[in-house]
Amino acid sequence: GAGVSQTPSNKVTEKGKYVELRCDPISGHTALYWYRQSLGQGPEFLIYFQGTGAADDSGLPNDRFFAVRPEGSVSTLKIQRTERGDSAVYLCASSSGPRTGELFFGEGSRLTVL
Amino acid sequence: DQQVKQNSPSLSVQEGRISILNCDYTNSMFDYFLWYKKYPAEGPTFLISISSIKDKNEDGRFTVFLNKSAKHLSLHIVPSQPGDSAVYFCAASGWDAGGTSYGKLTFGQGTILTVHP
Repeated sequence: GAGVSQTPSNKVTEKGKYVELRCDPISGHTALYWYRQSLGQGPEFLIYFQGTGAADDSGLPNDRFFAVRPEGSVSTLKIQRTERGDSAVYLCASSSGPRTGELFFGEGSRLTVL
Repeated sequence: DQQVKQNSPSLSVQEGRISILNCDYTNSMFDYFLWYKKYPAEGPTFLISISSIKDKNEDGRFTVFLNKSAKHLSLHIVPSQPGDSAVYFCAASGWDAGGTSYGKLTFGQGTILTVHP
């Protein structure tokens, strides 16, 4: 596709369960970002990949959160032992590289933890 | 601590008039500033940016002004159109602000702009 694709668009899960959110960036974009947006707030940075490696994971809130990008394209954000406070919209974005802040965002994955 | 603040949660403007959205920041190491627009159920889309070496950048109906001494930036939309109704986010980044990429953005809380026909 032409844009950033995220699946699922909606995920409802129970407290304590494991969740995976997938992001398919724009073809050729080497930089990939995950952000989290809570209700009434702006997006918050979680992690940045340049190629296959996580160049900056300083925004991950704790060790229940992990992300991978094994082949430098698709990325998966993994959340273990979900908590109600993890409920948010998880946004993925990609760009041509680290020297630009012009990011192309997907529509997001809305996670609800009951 | 909120390093980027948009103190107006909402703004209502008549079609054809100017919309002015404001943003303040506290981290003096930020050197790159952007505005994003977001429609419901969509991801944010990039609108316009400005580097700290400039004080103004214009793109069609959109102009961003930067006042570094006041740590303040604003977005002007002239003339405003009903299709501009959306949430507008101010964002900032900087290599010396602990950044590893200019895409590591710190966002404000957003301002809901409503343009009435």
